[in-house]
Amino acid sequence: DIQMTQSPSSLSASVGDRVTITCRASQYISTYLNWYQQKPGKAPKLLISAASTLQSGVPSRFSGSGSGTDFSLTISSLQPEDFATYYCQQSYSTPYTFGQGTKLEIK
Amino acid sequence: QVQLVESGGGVVQPGRSLRLSCEASGFTFSSHSMHWVRQAPGKGLEWVALILYDGGNKYYADSVKGRFTISRDNSKNTLYLQMNSLRAEDTAVYYCARDLGYTYGHPFDVWGQGTMVTVSS
Repeated sequence: DIQMTQSPSSLSASVGDRVTITCRASQYISTYLNWYQQKPGKAPKLLISAASTLQSGVPSRFSGSGSGTDFSLTISSLQPEDFATYYCQQSYSTPYTFGQGTKLEIK
Repeated sequence: QVQLVESGGGVVQPGRSLRLSCEASGFTFSSHSMHWVRQAPGKGLEWVALILYDGGNKYYADSVKGRFTISRDNSKNTLYLQMNSLRAEDTAVYYCARDLGYTYGHPFDVWGQGTMVTVSS
C-alpha cells in the first residue's frame, strides 16, 4: 500500500498569512494527488485534483503543486473560512490512501 | 442538484451485520464509480471500498476485506455497503463519495453527509 505522510500535523496561523502543507507519498504516484478540506461535522470537500487542478468554485488563493512523490498545498492569504483540516489523498492505486490530516488553527 | 444521501447507520453489537445505503440524485449514477470512506471519531479519513460504474469490479481496504461487500443498483441510483462481522474498530461515520470518472485514478468530487455506525455491546 502507498503511505501518505502530511506535514505538519497541525498549524497555527493568522488571517492573511501564507501557509504551505506538504504531502509525501511512499512511492511514485505521478500527479494522482488530491487535496480535501474538511470542517467539523461536515463531509470533506474536494479542493484540488491531479496535484494542481483547482476545482470549480474554489478560491484562487488555493494552489497545489508537485509530482512523483512530493506535493504541496499553499493558501496564499488565509481567510477565516479556511481554518479547517486538510487531507491529501492518492488515487494512483487502490487502496486510495489519505494522509493523516493537517489541522489549520487560528493563532 | 447533485446529491448523495446515506442511510442505515445505527448502533449494532459486535459480530452483527448492518447495511448502509446511499441514494444518488442529480447526475447519471451509472456513469460514475463510487466509493465508501469512513472516519472514526476524532480520526482521519480511511478509504473503504470502490465499485466501478457497472458494478463489474470491486476493491476493498484490507481492514474490511472478507467482511464488507460493496454493491450498486443502477436502476435505483443506489449504492450499498453490506457490513458483516462488525467490530468495535468499525465504529465511524461512513461517507459515500462519487468518483469523478467511471474507472480508476480520479478524485472524489461529491460526498454524502455521512451516516454514523457504532459497534458496541
